[in-house]
Amino acid sequence: KQEVTQIPAALSVPEGENLVLNCSFTDSAIYNLQWFRQDPGKGLTSLLLIQSSQREQTSGRLNASLDKSSGRSTLYIAASQPGDSATYLCAVPLMDSSYKLIFGSGTRLLVRP
Amino acid sequence: DVKVTQSSRYLVKRTGEKVFLECVQDMDHENMFWYRQDPGLGLRLIYFSYDVKMKEKGDIPEGYSVSREKKERFSLILESASTNQTSMYLCASTRRRVETQYFGPGTRLLVL
Repeated sequence: KQEVTQIPAALSVPEGENLVLNCSFTDSAIYNLQWFRQDPGKGLTSLLLIQSSQREQTSGRLNASLDKSSGRSTLYIAASQPGDSATYLCAVPLMDSSYKLIFGSGTRLLVRP
Repeated sequence: DVKVTQSSRYLVKRTGEKVFLECVQDMDHENMFWYRQDPGLGLRLIYFSYDVKMKEKGDIPEGYSVSREKKERFSLILESASTNQTSMYLCASTRRRVETQYFGPGTRLLVL
């Protein structure tokens, strides 16, 4: 059974700091891994999708890495800004016909000015 | 630009009322999903649909039904709303499994 875990649950950093968010999954047989951002009371915004055959995916100040063999992904945020404050969720789709995403519980990030 | 819209941002309903939540996507996606999100429980899948008039139960379908009469629209129905259905409801769509799921802005439902 696929389980997704995110540590830490919350993180507070000063503006300008580089930071890493962690995501781990128990079953390494995945199609891809997706990172989302959620602002309070809002829906999820897709940040990056990294395919199972990829090692890294970059978008602006964001870089996601994937190590399938160890069941880990990281989201690296460079030069953090207060506007980056949000909850970050990772998810993997189930390897069946459902297309269902299994989500981690998220990391709540606060970037202090 | 991709877009998933939900009919309401906030809803307040009474126990026993029938509630309709609508989701529309403009990306011609085959697959659509309804999740609910609760503190401490994360996102849980209620129902999904992989084609018009097709539906499949997710993890927590009890007390809900869905309708997909057109490809772009996926409706979630609470037949008789109960207080334990107070939650944030999120709709999503995707073309294929290997592609991103796109989410709507969410509907925060309060059942009194």
